Amino acid sequence: GQQLNQSPQSMFIQEGEDVSMNCTSSSIFNTWLWYKQDPGEGPVLLIALYKAGELTSNGRLTAQFGITRKDSFLNISASIPSDVGIYFCAGQLRRGGATNKLIFGTGTLLAVQP
Amino acid sequence: SQTIHQWPATLVQPVGSPLSLECTVEGTSNPNLYWYRQAAGRGLQLLFYSVGIGQISSEVPQNLSASRPQDRQFILSSKKLLLSDSGFYLCAWSVNQGEIGYTFGSGTRLTVV
Repeated sequence: GQQLNQSPQSMFIQEGEDVSMNCTSSSIFNTWLWYKQDPGEGPVLLIALYKAGELTSNGRLTAQFGITRKDSFLNISASIPSDVGIYFCAGQLRRGGATNKLIFGTGTLLAVQP
Repeated sequence: SQTIHQWPATLVQPVGSPLSLECTVEGTSNPNLYWYRQAAGRGLQLLFYSVGIGQISSEVPQNLSASRPQDRQFILSSKKLLLSDSGFYLCAWSVNQGEIGYTFGSGTRLTVV
């Protein structure tokens, strides 16, 4: 199935560093979402973006909906060990129909060295 | 509030044995339901989705099937497991029309030996 291009694939950083990851698509979306998956768990929604150009923060996390509607990025400031996990972007093209399937990115594996 | 339950959490099955994974959602009605597989802890592959009882859409041809016998119950099955069926299986739900994103269950780790 279709997937979004997400980069980088993995990051190994020191505690306290800032992190940036992004997601690009060949098609437009009207919603971008960022999920985090802890090891052995299901993904959990972090941030949802609804409008092109929108910049939204959730604590140390900041995400932006690209102006072209084909990309999004996620920043994590001052990383801590519990930020470890896999981060997924997801695009959704919401219409009036019954299904509004999410298209997921390939994931970014984040490892934080204390 | 809505909750999603998925079981079992882990499963080890021999090659050729049948499979049944169950997912139920509480606190909502007529949800969209999804089965994903995640291999090697990376990408999420959509296997099946359902917009209503008895309505199943398959995203990829494979050794698995899905059923939705009740409004809030979604079952993933196989008659004969293959080694390649090993992986982390995730169930998810979303509100039918309009709501943002999916809510995932805690997953089932399946190892076929």
